Amino acid sequence: QKEVEQNSGPLSVPEGAIASLNCTYSDRGSQSFFWYRQYSGKSPELIMSIYSNGDKEDGRFTAQLNKASQYVSLLIRDSQPSDSATYLCAVNRGSNYKLTFGKGTLLTVNP
Amino acid sequence: GAVVSQHPSWVICKSGTSVKIECRSLDFQATTMFWYRQFPKQSLMLMATSNEGSKATYEQGVEKDKFLINHASLTLSTLTVTSAHPEDSSFYICSARGTGGAGQPQHFGDGTRLSIL
Repeated sequence: QKEVEQNSGPLSVPEGAIASLNCTYSDRGSQSFFWYRQYSGKSPELIMSIYSNGDKEDGRFTAQLNKASQYVSLLIRDSQPSDSATYLCAVNRGSNYKLTFGKGTLLTVNP
Repeated sequence: GAVVSQHPSWVICKSGTSVKIECRSLDFQATTMFWYRQFPKQSLMLMATSNEGSKATYEQGVEKDKFLINHASLTLSTLTVTSAHPEDSSFYICSARGTGGAGQPQHFGDGTRLSIL
């Protein structure tokens, strides 16, 4: 079983719709969870972090965490073409501060 | 805040050359820095973790004599690819995190695209 799994996509949504990105992880000891956005040819950019069960909202982005189900998601409301990118789920498993990344989900927002 | 600067952004050089890449945290002290490489359409692969003032910890399969990492200060880490060959061509990205617990995120530099001819 892969440590951090994401649907590779592509996920295609129309402009203005809600995009839902999902991630599951295998290590129950995981403590911190991050979503990064990576445009083609660029380095990752931090979008959201979440540590506790429940929802965390920041502008058009909402991260959701369910530790019992080992599941973390990212919702993007009012999707814009500029949101088209690969979204990486990253999990911190402990004191060494290393992140384990999923392979990413490619999101395309169509005008 | 949390700006990480990486230079150079692009390097093209001949096989056998050594290449140094710098990673600087501009507005925070980075106790830990990380070096990744990424091949086209693949995810990030962690190469090594470096803590200021101590030797880097390399991931399995990464040659420490090939990829020299120095983290001499709380704001600067360098990666030197020694005697680079075409198979070392890749996108190298550094990240840095400040002090604090596991909740501190990593902030990434803009990456260095290395092409070995």
